[in-house]
Amino acid sequence: KQEVTQIPAALSVPEGENLVLNCSFTDSAIYNLQWFRQDPGKGLTSLLLIQSSQREQTSGRLNASLDKSSGRSTLYIAASQPGDSATYLCAVRTGNTPLVFGKGTRLSVIA
Amino acid sequence: SQTIHQWPATLVQPVGSPLSLECTVEGTSNPNLYWYRQAAGRGLQLLFYSVGIGQISSEVPQNLSASRPQDRQFILSSKKLLLSDSGFYLCAWSPTGQMLPYGYTFGSGTRLTVV
Repeated sequence: KQEVTQIPAALSVPEGENLVLNCSFTDSAIYNLQWFRQDPGKGLTSLLLIQSSQREQTSGRLNASLDKSSGRSTLYIAASQPGDSATYLCAVRTGNTPLVFGKGTRLSVIA
Repeated sequence: SQTIHQWPATLVQPVGSPLSLECTVEGTSNPNLYWYRQAAGRGLQLLFYSVGIGQISSEVPQNLSASRPQDRQFILSSKKLLLSDSGFYLCAWSPTGQMLPYGYTFGSGTRLTVV
C-alpha cells in the first residue's frame, strides 16, 4: 500500500527566502506525482505534475523534482512571498489506483 | 475548458439527518470521479471513486454512499449523519486512461458540520 510522507509538517520563513518542501513515498512504481496548494477553507489547486519518466517540472518560481528510485520529490520555492503562505500537498498516483496524499506542509511566509 | 462544480459550499446538519452533496464536471466526457474527505488535522482520505456510470468503488466502509447517475455527475449521500462525518469534502476528476499525462482537478469543497 502506497504511503506518502511530507516533511516538515509546518514551516515559517521570512519573505525572500528560498525554501524546499519534501515528499517521500514508499512504492517507487508510480505513474505520476502531483503537487497541490490549499488555502484555508478552500479546495486544492494543482501546481505541478511530474510524470514518472520526468525528473523535474518548473512553473514560475516553483520547481518540483522527482527521484523515483529513492521515492522522493521536492518542491523548491524561490524568493518566497507572503502570498505563498498555504498548505502544500504532495500526492502520488500508482498504476490504476487513485491519488494518495501526504498530510501536507503548512507554510507561513512572514513579511 | 473543463470545470468542476461542487455544492453546497457550507452545510450544517443535525445528527441523524440525511446528506446529499453534488458534484458535476463540464467540458469532458467519461471522467474518473472521486470523493475525498479532509478531517481537521488529518490528510485527505479517499472515500469513493467511479470510472463510469453506476460504477462505484468504496475505500472506507462507513455510513456514506456514492452514486453516479449520469456521466459527469457524482453524488455523496448519507441516510443518517454522525458527528464523525464532519469535515471538508472534496470532489475531483481525472481523465480516463492510464496513459494520459493529466492530473487531478479538484472542486472548491463542501464544509460539513454535524451538530
